[in-house]
Amino acid sequence: LAKTTQPISMDSYEGQEVNITCSHNNIATNDYITWYQQFPSQGPRFIIQGYKTKVTNEVASLFIPADRKSSTLSLPRVSLSDTAVYYCLVGDMGSGAGSYQLTFGKGTKLSVIP
Amino acid sequence: EAQVTQNPRYLITVTGKKLTVTCSQNMNHEYMSWYRQDPGLGLRQIYYSMNVEVTDKGDVPEGYKVSRKEKRNFPLILESPSPNQTSLYFCASSSLADFTDTQYFGPGTRLTVL
Repeated sequence: LAKTTQPISMDSYEGQEVNITCSHNNIATNDYITWYQQFPSQGPRFIIQGYKTKVTNEVASLFIPADRKSSTLSLPRVSLSDTAVYYCLVGDMGSGAGSYQLTFGKGTKLSVIP
Repeated sequence: EAQVTQNPRYLITVTGKKLTVTCSQNMNHEYMSWYRQDPGLGLRQIYYSMNVEVTDKGDVPEGYKVSRKEKRNFPLILESPSPNQTSLYFCASSSLADFTDTQYFGPGTRLTVL
């Protein structure tokens, strides 16, 4: 299983762009990178997923360098409601050959300051 | 409406008294899993199941049992609960198709073992 490393916490002011980097040096060829957001006492919810290069949706962007040993979640112009814990997951599901065990880790606690 | 339901949402019990937390999903997902969340430790996977009658251990399976007799249900069983199993528990489900590992989470069950 590819282990992930993220900063424990980050602070940001409202309106700023926030970049959270996740290291996954042992990522396997079939692994995807997925980010989740969790508010207190709620289950995590999917934000974005990617395999390589850049992925963008209405919520965030995900940047993955060519070696795929890290990834960066980018949240544009954060607001107070973006205060949450963000998890980076690396795993392979659906190929039939990979591990189906998912490791969320401790995540990054983002605090958005007014 | 696509959803994952858990029952009960809150439970206070005593050491050694067997309990079951139910989990049900209405999305015909193959994959279901259980997580526990503790302060400072993030989200840790207990057990997962890739289909009916197929279950595997996650990161912290000790003290827990699961069963998958029907596709929609994945109960978590604590045969002899202990205080160190006091935690917030989440059930999740997802499809295995197309390398997608978006997990749909239930609302959580807060368990206190006295």
